[in-house]
Amino acid sequence: QITLMESGPTLAKPTQTLTLTCTFSGFSLTSSGMGVAWIRQPPGRALEWLALIAWNDETRYSPSLKSRLTITKDTSKKQVVLTMTNMDPVDTATYYCAYRSPSLVFGCWGQGTLVTVSS
Amino acid sequence: DIAMIQSPDSLAVSLGERATINCKSSQSVLYMSNNKNYLAWYQQKPGQPPKLLISWASTRESGVPDRFSGSGSGTDFTLTISSLQAEDVAVYYCQQYYSSWTFGQGTKVEIK
Repeated sequence: QITLMESGPTLAKPTQTLTLTCTFSGFSLTSSGMGVAWIRQPPGRALEWLALIAWNDETRYSPSLKSRLTITKDTSKKQVVLTMTNMDPVDTATYYCAYRSPSLVFGCWGQGTLVTVSS
Repeated sequence: DIAMIQSPDSLAVSLGERATINCKSSQSVLYMSNNKNYLAWYQQKPGQPPKLLISWASTRESGVPDRFSGSGSGTDFTLTISSLQAEDVAVYYCQQYYSSWTFGQGTKVEIK
């Protein structure tokens, strides 16, 4: 059974750097085709894909946020970390991590963590 | 970027009636070499993360009721709920995975 869980601060100040951790189980990020993605959802709004890291260390970023994002993985800890710099109130959202299957879709999601950006 | 536009933004359907959601991509998501449409549908109930319903435009995930069906090809796709049940109240999102990943804006389905 695949599970993912997001962790990190619930509150961030403008201009700060946000660091979120996704801890997963049930699959190995060293297996061919596997990946972990980050997606966010502002309150009452749509989903927005942010970044993905694959089994082979390939990384992909949303073009609109690429300059602010870094995604890394620690396969021994079964964790994926997303950092987002220069946080702004518009970045207030629930941040989800999700398992990307070899078929490229997001087959399993964490429960999400709400991050509020406010001074 | 491939943009995804869904219509309508919301719809209210009587229990047992059909619900139809449309999704249009700004460019084709059909990969010619394998003849597969890189299009998925997700369901998000209030307070829950999204759940994958359909991949490859029409392939239901294991455990998804057969009242959910997907169709379409190229740039135009449809999610149909053949007989709406109370537990189907949710927001539905289409997503392309042909070039990175992009979601539609969502369609809220309610009971009339």
